[in-house]
Amino acid sequence: GAVVSQHPSWVICKSGTSVKIECRSLDFQATTMFWYRQFPKQSLMLMATSNEGSKATYEQGVEKDKFLINHASLTLSTLTVTSAHPEDSSFYICSAQTGSNQPQHFGDGTRLSIL
Amino acid sequence: AQSVTQLDSQVPVFEEAPVELRCNYSSSVSVYLFWYVQYPNQGLQLLLKYLSGSTLVESINGFEAEFNKSQTSFHLRKPSVHISDTAEYFCAVSGGGGTSYGKLTFGQGTILTVHP
Repeated sequence: GAVVSQHPSWVICKSGTSVKIECRSLDFQATTMFWYRQFPKQSLMLMATSNEGSKATYEQGVEKDKFLINHASLTLSTLTVTSAHPEDSSFYICSAQTGSNQPQHFGDGTRLSIL
Repeated sequence: AQSVTQLDSQVPVFEEAPVELRCNYSSSVSVYLFWYVQYPNQGLQLLLKYLSGSTLVESINGFEAEFNKSQTSFHLRKPSVHISDTAEYFCAVSGGGGTSYGKLTFGQGTILTVHP
């Protein structure tokens, strides 16, 4: 149980395009989803917290107009990297939880490469 | 504000040897502590957690960690490692706001490499 699926797992695209990453909770309803970014050989950095039906809360230094987050249902959150540039290349990981006192379950991540 | 420091970026060991991965944290509030494991190109899997109660917590695959409040540490240990334990391990803390599984602050990660 508690499976979180991310799609796509790997994406390569040209600079200036927008990329959408999906995070789905397959067998549970996620009231809260988190989006993390991980640079090579570094730790995960929280980008934003997303609650179903409300606007995401972004961490300091994360551009909300650059990283659009939508959490329209209890099983799906999306992260759209708008007008992506090479410096946006990274490993993006989502997690989901059923409630504030429940563990976060992580997806397998999406490796984004911008050429 | 919270922070987590993992003192070793890489730990090479031989199979069946014991291992300790070190983790120290700082926080102005009570914390909840976690160890996650990450295999290449995968997300994180929860290995074990400390929320309250006994300061020694164990995982199903032989790892254990001990919460030491006075030393603000949560070191991960295993008495005998296997090749399959090769992975990156992250220590994390959450706390404040009344939620035990809220925003996580991660350490820098420790790559454990088990050699035959």
